[in-house]
Amino acid sequence: QQQVKQSPQSLIVQKGGISIINCAYENTAFDYFPWYQQFPGKGPALLIAIRPDVSEKKEGRFTISFNKSAKQFSLHIMDSQPGDSATYFCAARVLSEKLVFGKGTKLTVNP
Amino acid sequence: SAVISQKPSRDICQRGTSLTIQCQVDSQVTMMFWYRQQPGQSLTLIATANQGSEATYESGFVIDKFPISRPNLTFSTLTVSNMSPEDSSIYLCSVGTGYSNQPQHFGDGTRLSIL
Repeated sequence: QQQVKQSPQSLIVQKGGISIINCAYENTAFDYFPWYQQFPGKGPALLIAIRPDVSEKKEGRFTISFNKSAKQFSLHIMDSQPGDSATYFCAARVLSEKLVFGKGTKLTVNP
Repeated sequence: SAVISQKPSRDICQRGTSLTIQCQVDSQVTMMFWYRQQPGQSLTLIATANQGSEATYESGFVIDKFPISRPNLTFSTLTVSNMSPEDSSIYLCSVGTGYSNQPQHFGDGTRLSIL
């Protein structure tokens, strides 16, 4: 019940395309859903986060879509750029407790 | 967001030795976390370290193997004891405020190889 299932494991997108990464969860007590971006040799960096009382949050080219009834949330990267090539992790948290991470998606954006 | 510095950034160690990893934050934080990340894998929480209390370890991790100190609100250490090749990994420090709507930030990690 503490798992967050992330898909796909890897994703290849052409420059200018839309990248979509999906996550699903079971624990309805989760109340905070962040996405992290990790470049090789670096720690994960918070990209965008959402609370379950909001269905969508947009920051620049990055959008989180949240479907509370389906217990799913997704990251959309519009106009994907080669610089977006990184590993993306979704996560979920209950109140101030630990983050539970998905297994990650390696995104490659071809020029 | 908090600036998190980890030392060392990487190390190569001999089997059976111990290494202490330091995590320094530029502001006072309530919660500090230590994670392990195998190359190409997700993050696994080792323990949560709050100032003034004993660290809380996750299943599969024990204090004898991964002792943690948290002497103040800006600093923590993780020791990897009696290392074996299976301990080769990236060890990440992370900090949070403890409030439900506040983000958790990560350092760049310590890349540890055991020969």
